[in-house]
Amino acid sequence: GESVGLHLPTLSVQEGDNSIINCAYSNSASDYFIWYKQESGKGPQFIIDIRSNMDKRQGQRVTVLLNKTVKHLSLQIAATQPGDSAVYFCAEKGPYGGLTGGGNKLTFGTGTQLKVEL
Amino acid sequence: NAGVTQTPKFRILKIGQSMTLQCTQDMNHNYMYWYRQDPGMGLKLIYYSVGAGITDKGEVPNGYNVSRSTTEDFPLRLELAAPSQTSVYFCASSYSWGRQGQPQHFGDGTRLSIL
Repeated sequence: GESVGLHLPTLSVQEGDNSIINCAYSNSASDYFIWYKQESGKGPQFIIDIRSNMDKRQGQRVTVLLNKTVKHLSLQIAATQPGDSAVYFCAEKGPYGGLTGGGNKLTFGTGTQLKVEL
Repeated sequence: NAGVTQTPKFRILKIGQSMTLQCTQDMNHNYMYWYRQDPGMGLKLIYYSVGAGITDKGEVPNGYNVSRSTTEDFPLRLELAAPSQTSVYFCASSYSWGRQGQPQHFGDGTRLSIL
């Protein structure tokens, strides 16, 4: 039978359109969020991050929006290009530091497959 | 800029064998991490280190060991390989623990199969 979580949600967009990838996070106390892009056979590549005291942050062609009320994070990619095709996943970090318990580790989502159609 | 370098890229082990996955970074980062990634699943933290000589367990440490004798290197050891350890292993490093603009940087992974 199929393994739970084996098939990632997929977003298909036309080249040149804007893409919006969503992520629901679990911990209302998380104070740091990050988006990664992962191409097939490669390691995760940092895209953009945001702290919980902000609700929007912009980079080059990318914008991250944070809605703490509903614990929702989104990544917007402007003018999507074929090279943007990859798996995108978000991660959250709790507010606690220190050596013990790993309480401030990043918790990663499973990701969304972005496919850019020509 | 080499960043985070992992070796080997691929490996097949027999059940019960042992091996060490190598990870080195040239960014002078204090924090280093080992994750495993199973198909369709999020990255799971195995072990992490906040500096040379200091390591701690993550979410899924059983069956693994680490050491951190230098800032640059953070090897991961599998002592008795089991089929459940078939996965892709990623090493990462960061300057700080989750500060904006100082993210974790990842290597390209080691794809390990236990048969």
